[in-house]
Amino acid sequence: GEDVEQSLFLSVREGDSSVINCTYTDSSSTYLYWYKQEPGAGLQLLTYIFSNMDMKQDQRLTVLLNKKDKHLSLRIADTQTGDSAIYFCAESAGRRALTFGSGTRLQVQP
Amino acid sequence: EPEVTQTPSHQVTQMGQEVILRCVPISNHLYFYWYRQILGQKVEFLVSFYNNEISEKSEIFDDQFSVERPDGSNFTLKIRSTKLEDSAMYFCASGGGARTGSLNLAKNIQYFGPGTRLSVT
Repeated sequence: GEDVEQSLFLSVREGDSSVINCTYTDSSSTYLYWYKQEPGAGLQLLTYIFSNMDMKQDQRLTVLLNKKDKHLSLRIADTQTGDSAIYFCAESAGRRALTFGSGTRLQVQP
Repeated sequence: EPEVTQTPSHQVTQMGQEVILRCVPISNHLYFYWYRQILGQKVEFLVSFYNNEISEKSEIFDDQFSVERPDGSNFTLKIRSTKLEDSAMYFCASGGGARTGSLNLAKNIQYFGPGTRLSVT
C-alpha cells in the first residue's frame, strides 16, 4: 500500500530556516499536504501542492516537490518559537483518503 | 473562514458502551471523512462518505463502526461496543466543495476539525 516517510525530529535555532523532508510511494498522488499539530490540538492545514507543480510559496513557507524522486519538502523561513509543533506530510489521489507520515517534531530553540 | 466543528471535545466512556462522535462539516462540501490518531502515532484513515454512502474504508473500520449523515449538516461516527484500543483522537474532515463566492476552498482539499478525544476505561 501507500507509504509516507518522514524523519522524526528536527531542532533549529530561532531565526534559522527549517527544512522538513518527506518521501512517498504512491505514483498516483495528486495532492500533497503539510499539516501542523500543536500539543493536544487538531490538524491545521498549512499548505498543499498539486502534483503537477514543482514549488509553492506562501509567506514564510516554501514547498518543493520532486515528483521523479517522490520527495516533498517544507521550508520554514525565519523559524519562530511558535513554529514548534509536529508537522505531518500527507498525500492523496483526488478525493481519496489521505495517507499520513509519522510526523516530524520541530523544536525551535531561542 | 468556514471550519469543521466536532463535539464533544472529550468523551470518556466505559468499555463495551456505545459512543457517537459528531461532526459538522463545512457547508457545500460533498465528501466527509473520519480519521483517528492513537496517542503518539500517525493519523490513520477510517472511512469516507459521499452521496449518503461509504465510498472507501480501511481495515480498521470493522463492524463495530458505522457512519451516518442524519440530516443536512451533521456527520456522525458510532462505535457500537467500545474497546480499550479505541482510545484515540478522532478527526472529522470534509472536502470536495466547489468554489463559492469569496471562499477560497480548493476542490478536493480536506479540512480537518479540532478532533474528539475518546478515552475508553
